Amino acid sequence: EDQVTQSPEALRLQEGESSSLNCSYTVSGLRGLFWYRQDPGKGPEFLFTLYSAGEEKEKERLKATLTKKESFLHITAPKPEDSATYLCAVQLTSGTYKYIFGTGTRLKVLA
Amino acid sequence: DAGVIQSPRHEVTEMGQEVTLRCKPISGHNSLFWYRQTMMRGLELLIYFNNNVPIDDSGMPEDRFSAKMPNASFSTLKIQPSEPRDSAVYFCASSFQGVSYGYTFGSGTRLTVV
Repeated sequence: EDQVTQSPEALRLQEGESSSLNCSYTVSGLRGLFWYRQDPGKGPEFLFTLYSAGEEKEKERLKATLTKKESFLHITAPKPEDSATYLCAVQLTSGTYKYIFGTGTRLKVLA
Repeated sequence: DAGVIQSPRHEVTEMGQEVTLRCKPISGHNSLFWYRQTMMRGLELLIYFNNNVPIDDSGMPEDRFSAKMPNASFSTLKIQPSEPRDSAVYFCASSFQGVSYGYTFGSGTRLTVV
């Protein structure tokens, strides 16, 4: 069965304290892996797409990496405004364009 | 572009009543998705349209749920009759198939069935 697991469920960091969020996946075939940010009361907002092992993408304090079994979202020197839930999703090669979402990591950055 | 527009933002209804959620996707996008989000189950895909045609409705919980996309600029998700376990946030998202920009989500409709 295709599955996506994110860890940890919740993470509290001090401002400036770098860390990584994990997204591990077991799927029949990976077309792409996506990272989203979701703020309370809003829909998820697209961050990155990764397609192949070894690929990296960066945006401000965020860097996403991909291996054959997992993806990491590295947060360098986070600020309070980085507080949000971070979701990863995988898109399968099964011929449709739907995602399987993980349950997310709730990040809180304290000033 | 105003993004994906959903209405209403909040809906409170009594068990047994019909509920209709509405979505206007981004102009030019050819794929539309309806998701449901709960604390227990996270984001679950309900149904997916491509070029206004339903492609995958395997996530629709039961016959009480139905979705339509009569044209490229409008979709509805209907629940009849509604039950308390349908309480959740329902998101609509759109994308242009084959492009790696991900989905654009609306702000969601928070449904409470009492």
